[in-house]
Order: sequence, then C-alpha cells, then structure tokens
Amino acid sequence: DIVMTQSALSLPVTPGEPASISCRSSQSLLHSNGYDYLDWHLQKPGQSPQLLIYLGSNRAPGVPDRFSGSGSGTDFTLKISRVEAEDVGVYYCMQTLQIPYTFGQGTKLEIK
Amino acid sequence: QVHLQESGPGLVKPSETLSLTCTVSGGSITNYYWSWIRQAPGKGLEWIGYIYYSGTTNYNPSLKSRVTISVDLSKNQFSLRLRSVTAADTAVYYCSRTLNDGNSDYWGQGTLVTVSS
Repeated sequence: DIVMTQSALSLPVTPGEPASISCRSSQSLLHSNGYDYLDWHLQKPGQSPQLLIYLGSNRAPGVPDRFSGSGSGTDFTLKISRVEAEDVGVYYCMQTLQIPYTFGQGTKLEIK
Repeated sequence: QVHLQESGPGLVKPSETLSLTCTVSGGSITNYYWSWIRQAPGKGLEWIGYIYYSGTTNYNPSLKSRVTISVDLSKNQFSLRLRSVTAADTAVYYCSRTLNDGNSDYWGQGTLVTVSS
C-alpha cells in the first residue's frame, strides 16, 4: 500500500495569516498521463469530508481561491493564503493512483 | 446538486453482517464510480472500495474477503455488506461519488455503525 504521511498533526494559525500543510507519499503519485493522483479533503467539525483539491492542484468547484495545492511525485503541499475561522477542521491528503486508495493521518488546523 | 444518504442499522452484533445502503438523489448513478469509506471513532479515513455503475468493483485488500458492494440502478442506490464484523469495524461509514481519477467529489453525511452484543 502507498503510505501517506502528513508531518504535522496539529497546526495553530492566526486568522488572516497563511498556513501550509505537507503530505508525503511512499511512492510517486505521478501518473503516465502527467497528473499527480493526490487529493486534499477537509473535514470540518461534525461534518463529512469535502473535496478541496484534486489531481494535486485543481480546486474543486466552489472552493475559495485562498486554497491552493502544489507539489509532484512524492511531496505535496496545501496552502491557505489567509486563514479564516471557517477553515478549522482536519485536512487529509489522499492518493488515488493505486488500489487501495489511502489517506494521510490528518492535520488539524486550529485558530490561535 | 447531488445528494447522498446512507441508511442501515446502527447496531450490529459481532460475527454478523453489516449492511448499509446509499441513496443518490439529484443525479443519476450511471457513468460514475461509487465508494464506501469509513472512519473509526477518533481515527482517520479508510477506503473500503468502490463500484462502477456497470457493476465492476474494487476493494481494499485488507477487507476484500469480507466485503461486497453492489448497485441497484432502478433505485439509484448502492450498498455495502461487511461480513463477520468485530468491534474493530465500529465506525462512521460514508458513501461518496467517485470520479474517473478517483477523487470523491460528493460525500454522504455518514452513519455510525457500532458492533456490540
């Protein structure tokens, strides 16, 4: 199985400040079609996960442009340009290159 | 707007079979993959498997011997059966719509299933 590792379990952030969440995979997620099969999901408190970023850097419909995804191969980053209070929750990276699909352990973003 | 709703018993006895159904509304079940994902209390997310509307399935090898996912096009539903459950199968079970590249763009609200006698 591809192991997904998120380096930080918790991330305290001041509103209005930027935030960055890292994710590393045990194998390259770069498909022969040129896309990285890496998604980012946010699970807000008491809610189901919601898709933020797909194929490494594509924002899902309705996702604010303060969210961006970058990286390729085995190292990926989710960036929030200016954190808002509604961004609190647990952020998960997920690989969909290989069965079984696997998730990182999650990074909990908290407001200072 | 696509909406997914999980339904099924919230309590299952050990060694019995967990059965859940996901009803899709606001869109057709055809031409998409449909997944089940679970989250044990206080834990992360675990992908269980998916089914294509045509019936093709793919399962997590760790659960493959106990899992069956099926689809009912006439009802716009798909279902999960997990046999021989133990306490380790206690989790919130989510259904989701999955696109060709594997990402889940719509999720149900989730349903808690507790395995206990």
